[in-house]
Amino acid sequence: ETGVTQTPRHLVMGMTNKKSLKCEQHLGHNAMYWYKQSAKKPLELMFVYSLEERVENNSVPSRFSPECPNSSHLFLHLHTLQPEDSALYLCASSQELGAGGLIDTQYFGPGTRLTVL
Amino acid sequence: QKEVEQNSGPLSVPEGAIASLNCTYSDRVSQSFFWYRQYSGKSPELIMSIYSNGDKEDGRFTAQLNKASQYVSLLIRDSQPSDSATYLCAVNRPRGNNRLAFGKGNQVVVIP
Repeated sequence: ETGVTQTPRHLVMGMTNKKSLKCEQHLGHNAMYWYKQSAKKPLELMFVYSLEERVENNSVPSRFSPECPNSSHLFLHLHTLQPEDSALYLCASSQELGAGGLIDTQYFGPGTRLTVL
Repeated sequence: QKEVEQNSGPLSVPEGAIASLNCTYSDRVSQSFFWYRQYSGKSPELIMSIYSNGDKEDGRFTAQLNKASQYVSLLIRDSQPSDSATYLCAVNRPRGNNRLAFGKGNQVVVIP
């Protein structure tokens, strides 16, 4: 496997279900991200993990729960979702460059298309 | 003003022509700029990164950065039907978290 992989690629779940999205990066990066992409909206950053620590949570509802067990793996645990949570969920990774203002390229996985019924 | 603004599309260009995409950003101290291409139903893939004022060329793609005017553009020369996609502009947010802010995207349709 190369780059950033995500599973499953498609997920349909009811509002009472619990499911998890998985992301794995094979690029040796030290930062991983979850984004939400809804139709007609810009990419929305949800969570950031840097060196396995969560460094950002952009006011995401608690029904989304991230987990980063090591620098290569990232999970998004889902429970009691709402129909408006239906979207493409993208994982990305990058190499944090530290202070200085410049940031390195983020590489995206193929995404999980989530439908909440 | 939106953090990253891309003029609305879609942009239709004949095959072989030049497609020109523009992106403006609000924070004048931003330093990192990216163009991503996203095919329908797929994830974004990097086309170009640019950090310094001026032009940067890679094959048929040229990114142009003007920090004084706070815009970054992407030119696609000799447009091909395979260039039909949505192009996302991304700019870092230097104040606070220094994460990427994305524009809504420009849809490009190359007409054979």
